[in-house]
Amino acid sequence: GAVVSQHPSRVICKSGTSVKIECRSLDFQATTMFWYRQFPKKSLMLMATSNEGSKATYEQGVEKDKFLINHASLTLSTLTVTSAHPEDSSFYICSARDGGVAGPLPADTQYFGPGTRLTVL
Amino acid sequence: GQNIDQPTEMTATEGAIVQINCTYQTSGFNGLFWYQQHAGEAPTFLSYNVLDGLEEKGRFSSFLSRSKGYSYLLLKELQMKDSASYLCAGMDSNYQLIWGAGTKLIIKP
Repeated sequence: GAVVSQHPSRVICKSGTSVKIECRSLDFQATTMFWYRQFPKKSLMLMATSNEGSKATYEQGVEKDKFLINHASLTLSTLTVTSAHPEDSSFYICSARDGGVAGPLPADTQYFGPGTRLTVL
Repeated sequence: GQNIDQPTEMTATEGAIVQINCTYQTSGFNGLFWYQQHAGEAPTFLSYNVLDGLEEKGRFSSFLSRSKGYSYLLLKELQMKDSASYLCAGMDSNYQLIWGAGTKLIIKP
């Protein structure tokens, strides 16, 4: 149990275009989802926390107009990188938190999607 | 402020034992997580400690001392596939994870 999918796994786009990344919890309801980005050989950097039905909470320094987050249902959150530029190229990872018990892991464990590698040309 | 410290890189030999240390400072405390991350992949859950002591799970064990703000991950009988980054994360009073930078573990034959 507690599987999170992320789509697409890899995307290459031209500078100035927008890219949407989907994060789905497949077998549990995720009241909270998190979006991270990770640069090579660096740790995870939390971008925003997304709660179902409400506006996302962005970390300091993350432009909310550039990184649009929508958490429309208990199993889906999307991150849209608008007007992408080469400096936005990164590994984007979502995670979902199950406030209940989806399996043998403790409540509030974050389950990670496989990540999306974005390359902006 | 909130902070997680762990070594940047460690090297160990196949079949040996390695201990990866982590010290943490969080606003409130709701547990300490260890995740494993292979290059180019997302992190996967390894262990969770919220009470003092050692939690053993096969070849991997995790220890927590809340009074010292200290945890370690112990890996026994190292295998080449254990080469990965190991991320320590503390959960604060808002149930937010505070991430360490990760320890890259290199296993040599």
